[in-house]
Amino acid sequence: DAGITQSPRHKVTETGTPVTLRCHQTENHRYMYWYRQDPGHGLRLIHYSYGVKDTDKGEVSDGYSVSRSKTEDFLLTLESATSSQTSVYFCAISFKRREIWGSPLHFGNGTRLTVT
Amino acid sequence: SQQGEEDPQALSIQEGENATMNCSYKTSINNLQWYRQNSGRGLVHLILIRSNEREKHSGRLRVTLDTSKKSSSLLITASRAADTASYFCATDAAFDAGGTSYGKLTFGQGTILTVHP
Repeated sequence: DAGITQSPRHKVTETGTPVTLRCHQTENHRYMYWYRQDPGHGLRLIHYSYGVKDTDKGEVSDGYSVSRSKTEDFLLTLESATSSQTSVYFCAISFKRREIWGSPLHFGNGTRLTVT
Repeated sequence: SQQGEEDPQALSIQEGENATMNCSYKTSINNLQWYRQNSGRGLVHLILIRSNEREKHSGRLRVTLDTSKKSSSLLITASRAADTASYFCATDAAFDAGGTSYGKLTFGQGTILTVHP
């Protein structure tokens, strides 16, 4: 799994509570991404990072924030969870080592989040 | 909006048959990638084809790209029960000189392939 660990693997939380999902990589890669996967929508990009403290929004960033204080950790926070954020969340890294685009992404095994 | 749209949404075949999945996209791309996802797992990269390539092979996989039609196809030959999975295309958008996509990919909704023994 290319050294990517997501935690927790499963979580059930109540509406209105904050939730933080963690993605940890052991390979010192610069580019990291958070996607959510929902039936009928495929995978949609939430946020991404191109270095420590360098992050930007993706297609569906409302209600989410991220932080990257170390190369190896990329955290996704749902500031106040809603039922529409029930989903499977995937972290991915790119093996891109220079500014040469076109590398594939390597995914973690996902976090299944249920907001009740 | 979804950059990649896949067809069919579901495909059921017998072991040994070939499986073909199609992907259409809307904007100019640097490359197009195909991924496989087994139930309950993350996506696994299968093959990448660049915008200046027309066909690429990897084992039993054959990918074609037609940039004039903004479409790609994935062919799995001599399918096996172990090929049962969801398959996704993903595009890496092209930007003008000086711009970058930061490697962000836009995924289609996927094709569910079932291969019966």
